[in-house]
Amino acid sequence: QTVVTQEPSFSVSPGGTVTLTCGLSSGSVSTSYYPSWYQQTPGQAPRTLIYSTNTRSSGVPDRFSGSIVGNKAALTITGAQADDECDYYCVLYMGSGISVFGGGTKLTVL
Amino acid sequence: QVQLVESGGGVVQPGRSLRLSCAASGFTFSSYAMHWVRQAPGKGLEWVAVISYDGFNKYYADSVKGRFTISRDNSKNTLYLQMNSLRPEDTAVYYCASGEVVTAIQGWGQGTLVTVSS
Repeated sequence: QTVVTQEPSFSVSPGGTVTLTCGLSSGSVSTSYYPSWYQQTPGQAPRTLIYSTNTRSSGVPDRFSGSIVGNKAALTITGAQADDECDYYCVLYMGSGISVFGGGTKLTVL
Repeated sequence: QVQLVESGGGVVQPGRSLRLSCAASGFTFSSYAMHWVRQAPGKGLEWVAVISYDGFNKYYADSVKGRFTISRDNSKNTLYLQMNSLRPEDTAVYYCASGEVVTAIQGWGQGTLVTVSS
């Protein structure tokens, strides 16, 4: 069974740039997996940041961008702010209607 | 503005059934695929199921296949999740979510908590 992998944790300095990645336990991520990214603060519903690799959801600032880097999907946050500190999840579409979430990355801004 | 409101959660004994509902407004419900996503306490997000805009195509995660059924009533702008043979590991907050296509999850509801316990 293919597992979607994310860094368990990451840290970034205020104002800095960070790139979170989303990979596969076997194989490479491409646009055919329609990678998407979600932000979740504790106790709140997720918020969609990016879908279909690099389409920003309505209202999401352009500090957030999606791409494919090497063999992984990537979420880049530029000009990190204190309220960017939360959990980030990616989802990959596996085909045949099936989507799989990664385990999430806890981002610390310090 | 997309608004999704889940209901129907609660405490249920193992082996019993529960039906969740999700009332949609603010967008053309009948044109959107709809998903259920869950999150066990202290854990990450898990995709559960998706239904196409017209209800004809339905897909499930292996963990719920054969026990859960996703459905929709486009005349009522409502999504459902029928959950049978519930297990303690089904305990989670269940979110409904919308997507322009099956490959996208875009709008989210606030979630409803399901607790499976004797």
